[in-house]
Amino acid sequence: DAKTTQPTSMDCAEGRAANLPCNHSTISGNEYVYWYRQIHSQGPQYIIHGLKNNETNEMASLIITEDRKSSTLILPHATLRDTAVYYCIVRSGSSNTGKLIFGQGTTLQVKP
Amino acid sequence: DVKVTQSSRYLVKRTGEKVFLECVQDMDHENMFWYRQDPGLGLRLIYFSYDVKMKEKGDIPEGYSVSREKKERFSLILESASTNQTSMYLCASNLGGLFGNTIYFGEGSWLTVV
Repeated sequence: DAKTTQPTSMDCAEGRAANLPCNHSTISGNEYVYWYRQIHSQGPQYIIHGLKNNETNEMASLIITEDRKSSTLILPHATLRDTAVYYCIVRSGSSNTGKLIFGQGTTLQVKP
Repeated sequence: DVKVTQSSRYLVKRTGEKVFLECVQDMDHENMFWYRQDPGLGLRLIYFSYDVKMKEKGDIPEGYSVSREKKERFSLILESASTNQTSMYLCASNLGGLFGNTIYFGEGSWLTVV
C-alpha cells in the first residue's frame, strides 16, 4: 500500500470548516483513499473513502485531485467533538489481509 | 450502522494469567481482525480470520491465539499474560471482497498486565 504524508497538527475554530490535506504521490490505480479518525482512548472510526471522484457522506467530504496524488478531507462545520487524530490511508480495493498502516496522522484541535 | 463490540474496555491482569478478549460484530462480515496499538508503533495486526474456524497469523502472533467458532464472534487469547502485552487491543471486521474492504473497529480494550 502506498505511503501517505500528512501535517502533524492543525487548529480549527469551532463552526468553521476543517480542511485536512494528505499527499499520496505513489498511489496506484487500484488503491482507494480512506480516512479514519481516533479520539483519545477509543478505536479508530471510519469516516469516508474514495477512488477517483469526490465523495460526501453525513460526516465529511473527500476531495481527490485529478491526478490522485493528494486529497483533502473536509469537515464542514467542526465541533469540539471533532478534536481527534485523523489518518489518511491508501489501500488496495482488493486487499483482504487486514493490514493497515496508520502513519502519524494529523492531530486536529477544534477550539471554541 | 456497523457495530463491532468488544466485551471489556479496561482490564487489569496478573502476569501468567490466561486472558480472553471477546469481540462480536453484527453485520455478517466475513473477515475479523485483532490488532494492538502502542505509542510510536502504530497499529499491528496480531491475527485475522476470513471464515469460521479459519485463522491466519498477522505480524505479531507470538504469545496470542484466537478462536472463531461463530461468524459473528472472534476471541483473542493470551495464554500466559506478560507485562509486554500491556496495550490497547482493537478488534475489527469487514465484509471482504472487492467492494467490502472498509474495516470497522471496535472501541478498544485497554489491558494492563502487572
